[in-house]
Amino acid sequence: GAGVSQSPSNKVTEKGKDVELRCDPISGHTALYWYRQSLGQGLEFLIYFQGNSAPDKSGLPSDRFSAERTGGSVSTLTIQRTQQEDSAVYLCASSLSRDYNEQFFGPGTRLTVL
Amino acid sequence: LAKTTQPISMDSYEGQEVNITCSHNNIATNDYITWYQQFPSQGPRFIIQGYKTKVTNEVASLFIPADRKSSTLSLPRVSLSDTAVYYCLVVSSNTGKLIFGQGTTLQVKP
Repeated sequence: GAGVSQSPSNKVTEKGKDVELRCDPISGHTALYWYRQSLGQGLEFLIYFQGNSAPDKSGLPSDRFSAERTGGSVSTLTIQRTQQEDSAVYLCASSLSRDYNEQFFGPGTRLTVL
Repeated sequence: LAKTTQPISMDSYEGQEVNITCSHNNIATNDYITWYQQFPSQGPRFIIQGYKTKVTNEVASLFIPADRKSSTLSLPRVSLSDTAVYYCLVVSSNTGKLIFGQGTTLQVKP
């Protein structure tokens, strides 16, 4: 089957605009994670979904960031009023379940805020 | 979550065995040790995980002493294509989330 897919692969936006990043996990994977990777911060956890609920949002950097997951499948990460420091690669990963530790990562969305 | 410490970088030559050691002094009972590999412009890829003793798969071995405060990833006979960043992580079975450190940049030379 297909792996984790993310869209768009690249996104350039202007400061202050809202962006939506999409993640399609591997079919049947109940756990979904968002991470971001930037030069200054390395790879950091943002949020975790089990099914459609998000029991751990501890990594979201501010209230401008939100995420949802519908139908236990697709997830959308939304960044409102983007700032230049939001520029990073946003990675999505999925796994069979929360306690199954092999996470499969997508290729990422490279976000550039001008 | 347990913090991990690993060397920032390592150099090796093709055909050699590479051992990357990671310390995780505050590992909890429910935590697993897992290693990921990341190539430039790609997402991380799972290599191996273990709880204690030794685990081996087709690409690597993971050695974990009895106190579990450290672990060693062993890559046999590396090739140029093994040049990548290797992350050691301690993962809670309660949350599953991965907390990445700086990783070890392995450079394999011809």
